[in-house]
Amino acid sequence: DSGVTQTPKHLITATGQRVTLRCSPRSGDLSVYWYQQSLDQGLQFLIHYYNGEERAKGNILERFSAQQFPDLHSELNLSSLELGDSALYFCASSYGQRYTFGSGTRLTVV
Amino acid sequence: AQKVTQAQTEISVVEKEDVTLDCVYETRDTTYYLFWYKQPPSGELVFLIRRNSFDEQNEISGRYSWNFQKSTSSFNFTITASQVVDSAVYFCALSEGQGAQKLVFGQGTRLTINP
Repeated sequence: DSGVTQTPKHLITATGQRVTLRCSPRSGDLSVYWYQQSLDQGLQFLIHYYNGEERAKGNILERFSAQQFPDLHSELNLSSLELGDSALYFCASSYGQRYTFGSGTRLTVV
Repeated sequence: AQKVTQAQTEISVVEKEDVTLDCVYETRDTTYYLFWYKQPPSGELVFLIRRNSFDEQNEISGRYSWNFQKSTSSFNFTITASQVVDSAVYFCALSEGQGAQKLVFGQGTRLTINP
């Protein structure tokens, strides 16, 4: 157990639907990052939150949104899903330069 | 802007061979951190090493070694006497500055060790 918890582990949904991915960071970590890994691709940075505030945005689609709550857990909302959104979504948390990754949520859009 | 390039998309070797995975990075910051992660077929990301820009000392950990050269902006990873269990996708990553910064990953190198 890395200390970062992502739920659910697997998600299958239809095109056009909306899903929410959840991430609980490692205890004491204030930063949460979201990454998307499409099939046979590298990890694409989506967004970074620090203590509830958005710090940096990557190539995140307008159909996607995220937030970090006062208890520091984060949610990534994906709407109007398309087949191309099928991917492994990783959450990471950090303290300084020590990053901890969750085991990912595998999203399949059918 | 920061960038990480792993030019080798796939490498296939026979067990017990040595193999080196290349990583070249770009950054304008003088303070930065470099990382290597392993992603086995099960999908999780396994942290291997973190180095900061002020420490160019090479590191050896068992069969793994890392060669950090600022002059060529490279942070290469060598596996000595490879084993089938080393088969995975390996990612090099970079973060700039101090404190909480995003990691930028290379595209990864798929390493296959054949028995």
